[in-house]
Amino acid sequence: GAVVSQHPSRVICKSGTSVKIECRSLDFQATTMFWYRQFPKQSLMLMATSNEGSKATYEQGVEKDKFLINHASLTLSTLTVTSAHPEDSSFYICSARDLDRGSNEQFFGPGTRLTVL
Amino acid sequence: AQSVTQLGSHVSVSEGALVLLRCNYSSSVPPYLFWYVQYPNQGLQLLLKYTSAATLVKGINGFEAEFKKSETSFHLTKPSAHMSDAAEYFCAVSDSRNTPLVFGKGTRLSVIA
Repeated sequence: GAVVSQHPSRVICKSGTSVKIECRSLDFQATTMFWYRQFPKQSLMLMATSNEGSKATYEQGVEKDKFLINHASLTLSTLTVTSAHPEDSSFYICSARDLDRGSNEQFFGPGTRLTVL
Repeated sequence: AQSVTQLGSHVSVSEGALVLLRCNYSSSVPPYLFWYVQYPNQGLQLLLKYTSAATLVKGINGFEAEFKKSETSFHLTKPSAHMSDAAEYFCAVSDSRNTPLVFGKGTRLSVIA
């Protein structure tokens, strides 16, 4: 149980285009999902907290108009990188909490590798 | 605010030797502590977690960690390293059920045959 999926697993796009990444909790409901970015050989940096039915909470330094987050249901959150540039190339990982488990363990998706040309 | 320090960005051990990955945390309240493993181009897999129950926590793949409040540490150990243990390991802390995890910078474990 507690499986999180991400789609796509890998995407290559041209500079200036937008890319949408989906994060789904497959067998549990998640009112809160988190989006992280990981540059090569570095740790995970929290970008934003996605709350179902309300606006996402962004970390300092993360542009909310560039990284659009929509958490429309209890099992789906999407991250859209708008007008992507090469510096946005990174590994994007989402995670979700299973409220029914009563702990704050986060379950992670497999990640999405974004390459902007 | 909570933080995590992982000493040693790279640890190399021989196959069969003891694995010790260090993690020190900072938190103003009793923390929730986690160790995750990441294989190349993959997401994170939970190894073990401390949530104020037993101070010695056993996880998957033979790993365990001991919570030491006096030392603010949560070091990860495994008695005998296996080649398949080579990966990146992250320690993470959270101070409540409602806050996201804060990760350390990670330690890359290499296992030498």
